[in-house]
Amino acid sequence: DQQVKQNSPSLSVQEGRISILNCDYTNSMFDYFLWYKKYPAEGPTFLISISSIKDKNEDGRFTVFLNKSAKHLSLHIVPSQPGDSAVYFCAASGGGMRFGAGTRLTVKP
Amino acid sequence: DGGITQSPKYLFRKEGQNVTLSCEQNLNHDAMYWYRQDPGQGLRLIYYSQIVNDFQKGDIAEGYSVSREKKESFPLTVTSAQKNPTAFYLCASSIDLGPRQPQHFGDGTRLSIL
Repeated sequence: DQQVKQNSPSLSVQEGRISILNCDYTNSMFDYFLWYKKYPAEGPTFLISISSIKDKNEDGRFTVFLNKSAKHLSLHIVPSQPGDSAVYFCAASGGGMRFGAGTRLTVKP
Repeated sequence: DGGITQSPKYLFRKEGQNVTLSCEQNLNHDAMYWYRQDPGQGLRLIYYSQIVNDFQKGDIAEGYSVSREKKESFPLTVTSAQKNPTAFYLCASSIDLGPRQPQHFGDGTRLSIL
């Protein structure tokens, strides 16, 4: 059973535009959410996180939004750069950590 | 330069054979984890360890075994009982098991059946 879902396997955006990656979860016990970024042939690296007591967390070009009532979170990258091209995993924790299947972002120059 | 080292990068297993995947970390982390990734699926937890000489089953532990004799090392054995071992395996560590601790990942081992 997939408790964390990333329904878009891929996303393509133009350099300089906004990238929006989405993630949905089903377990109300999750209270902390993380985004990881993975380049080919490398392991995932931690990018940004958000606690369930917040609805927004910002770090430079990266902002994560949390909508608890909808059990939905999103990662916004503004402006997108070619170096952001990678697979992005959403993860949720609270009684164990669960990962989504990932979304492959391609930023075109 | 601290990090997690997984070896080998690619591994081939014959039917009925056990194979062991290595994971070493020099981050001085207490907690370590093994995940399996299949196409179109998220990372699924196989085993995790909170401290030396202690480990717990994750969601898909059947057909796998681990040991944690040293803080730095958490090898995973894929036994012949694992009927579908072909996958990408990731090892991770974190300062502790706290839910807010980000995990640091190795670069993975891709296991295939001959």
